[in-house]
Amino acid sequence: DQQVKQNSPSLSVQEGRISILNCDYTNSMFDYFLWYKKYPAEGPTFLISISSIKDKNEDGRFTVFLNKSAKHLSLHIVPSQPGDSAVYFCAASYNYNQGGKLIFGQGTELSVKP
Amino acid sequence: ETGVTQTPRHLVMGMTNKKSLKCEQHLGHNAMYWYKQSAKKPLELMFVYSLEERVENNSVPSRFSPECPNSSHLFLHLHTLQPEDSALYLCASSQELTKNPGPGYTFGSGTRLTVV
Repeated sequence: DQQVKQNSPSLSVQEGRISILNCDYTNSMFDYFLWYKKYPAEGPTFLISISSIKDKNEDGRFTVFLNKSAKHLSLHIVPSQPGDSAVYFCAASYNYNQGGKLIFGQGTELSVKP
Repeated sequence: ETGVTQTPRHLVMGMTNKKSLKCEQHLGHNAMYWYKQSAKKPLELMFVYSLEERVENNSVPSRFSPECPNSSHLFLHLHTLQPEDSALYLCASSQELTKNPGPGYTFGSGTRLTVV
């Protein structure tokens, strides 16, 4: 059973527009959520995170929204840039502060066209 | 050198070969991990080491054998693999999460393994 799902394998956006990447989860006990970005031939790098006690976290062009009732997480990138083209993974953890492990989604490949 | 380094970057091996993947971290982290990323699948956690002790083994076949000789090094020994084992193998490290609830793991660049 896949607890973290990214149902869109790919997304194409025009430069300057908003990119919205979505993530759904099934375990209501998850208490920490993270987004990672991965370029080809590189490991994932941490992008932004959010605790379950919040519903929004913003860092520059990146904003993560958490809707606990819908068990839904989204990453907004505004404005999108060609350098944002990469695979984006969401991850979730239960009991994160006590060493809970990360469970990853399948990833969504974002392509930002000039 | 900083971060998490994995070698080799690419590996092609036959089903009867024995090879090893190496991971080295220079971050002073206490926990290290092996992940497998197959095409169109989520990252799968394989093994977890904390302070050089294996704390988790997620039903991984015995043809994969991890080794953690010290807190900076992690190996994945491979033998008699199958073509379906072809994947990107990622190493990661982190501070013990109870002490540093930071942004998560630091990943290496991975080893792209092809089994022929």
